Amino acid sequence: QVHLQESGPGLVKPSETLSLSCTVSGGSISSQYWSWIRQSPGKGLEWIGYMYYSGNSDYNPSLRSRVTISVDMSKSQFSLKLTSVTTADTAVYYCARGGPGPADFWGQGTMVTVSS
Amino acid sequence: DIQMTQSPSSLSASVGDRVTISCRASQTISDYLNWYQQQPGKAPKLLIYGASSLQSGVPSRFSGSGSGTDFTLTISSLQPEDFATYSCQQTYSTPLTFGGGTKVEFK
Repeated sequence: QVHLQESGPGLVKPSETLSLSCTVSGGSISSQYWSWIRQSPGKGLEWIGYMYYSGNSDYNPSLRSRVTISVDMSKSQFSLKLTSVTTADTAVYYCARGGPGPADFWGQGTMVTVSS
Repeated sequence: DIQMTQSPSSLSASVGDRVTISCRASQTISDYLNWYQQQPGKAPKLLIYGASSLQSGVPSRFSGSGSGTDFTLTISSLQPEDFATYSCQQTYSTPLTFGGGTKVEFK
């Protein structure tokens, strides 16, 4: 059974960079797509982007100028960096397996609050 | 972007009821439609992919149908653990987009 676990700061200051990691266990990170998805309080789900293990990626155009997703196969991790955050980026951030297709395994989610 | 519109946004039902949730895409997406269930405070769980294929381990009371722009999730006999929020997602083209969700509440 594939297991994903997000980690990173729960509080980020406005204009700073949000950095999260997702550790994958119970399965290989290779030959798969890996995604980040977020959910603002009381709102629906928003796709942030995905990356193939080999490095190909696609991002939501609404966030593309600020987002980078990367993969570290040696650590079985993939990461999210979101620059110049504002309060609008406050959300629960989920990592998931899947990309162009459905997300079949999800992390439990991590709440990130943007506040000074 | 492809807009996904779900209806209703919420519904009240009883254990044993047949429940139907609709999802409409703003343009044709063939069968690139997935359904997720989300319990409060939990991550979404994949129920249906490809509009009608049941994800492994998901009870057979869940079913999906539709193609093109109109899709339906049906729960044939609602169980206590099914009270949750259900969201559709299109994976026809990026940006991948989700519906706003349908909350199934206890009547």
